[in-house]
Amino acid sequence: AQSVTQLGSHVSVSEGALVLLRCNYSSSVPPYLFWYVQYPNQGLQLLLKYTSAATLVKGINGFEAEFKKSETSFHLTKPSAHMSDAAEYFCAVTPNYLISNFGNEKLTFGTGTRLTIIP
Amino acid sequence: GAGVSQSPSNKVTEKGKDVELRCDPISGHTALYWYRQRLGQGLEFLIYFQGNSAPDKSGLPSDRFSAERTGESVSTLTIQRTQQEDSAVYLCASSLGSGAIQPQHFGDGTRLSIL
Repeated sequence: AQSVTQLGSHVSVSEGALVLLRCNYSSSVPPYLFWYVQYPNQGLQLLLKYTSAATLVKGINGFEAEFKKSETSFHLTKPSAHMSDAAEYFCAVTPNYLISNFGNEKLTFGTGTRLTIIP
Repeated sequence: GAGVSQSPSNKVTEKGKDVELRCDPISGHTALYWYRQRLGQGLEFLIYFQGNSAPDKSGLPSDRFSAERTGESVSTLTIQRTQQEDSAVYLCASSLGSGAIQPQHFGDGTRLSIL
């Protein structure tokens, strides 16, 4: 079974500092990977996704993530944090449809990382 | 534009009562998912609908949980004889079709509180 592990349930960074949120996956073959952001009392919004194309993926709001097969990682970064980045971030995985039961791409989520921005 | 709509946004009910949660997916989206988010945890998959295929119910935690979908439109998630551990935010998502390349679009969820 696939899973993702997010290291650090809470991360605090100063405004303008580098944001690094960690995600490691467990899968026998490279899966598809996603980062979602959740603002208070809202649903999840897709930040970016990795689907076997470029290993460095650029998303919305200045975020990017790099898929590293050797490290089974898909860490999320942003060069300069903004106050509006304060939210909960979820890493998620779904099977590569080429090897899965085609048709159900249910997402398996990590437990989330709450990002706080210090003024 | 119209996104995924869920109702009610909040529901408080007594233990033992039945509740029904509604999801209106984005028009034209054939795939629909229900997830549960307990406090301080990630999302757990509950059930998946794709077109006219049999739904994948593998994530439903007990037989008190059921869901229906009318064609490729509205879905309802029903929880019978609610228990306190059912308290959570229930999120619905839809996508254009199967294939992980199609992103899932989430509603704002229904926050369910069981007294």
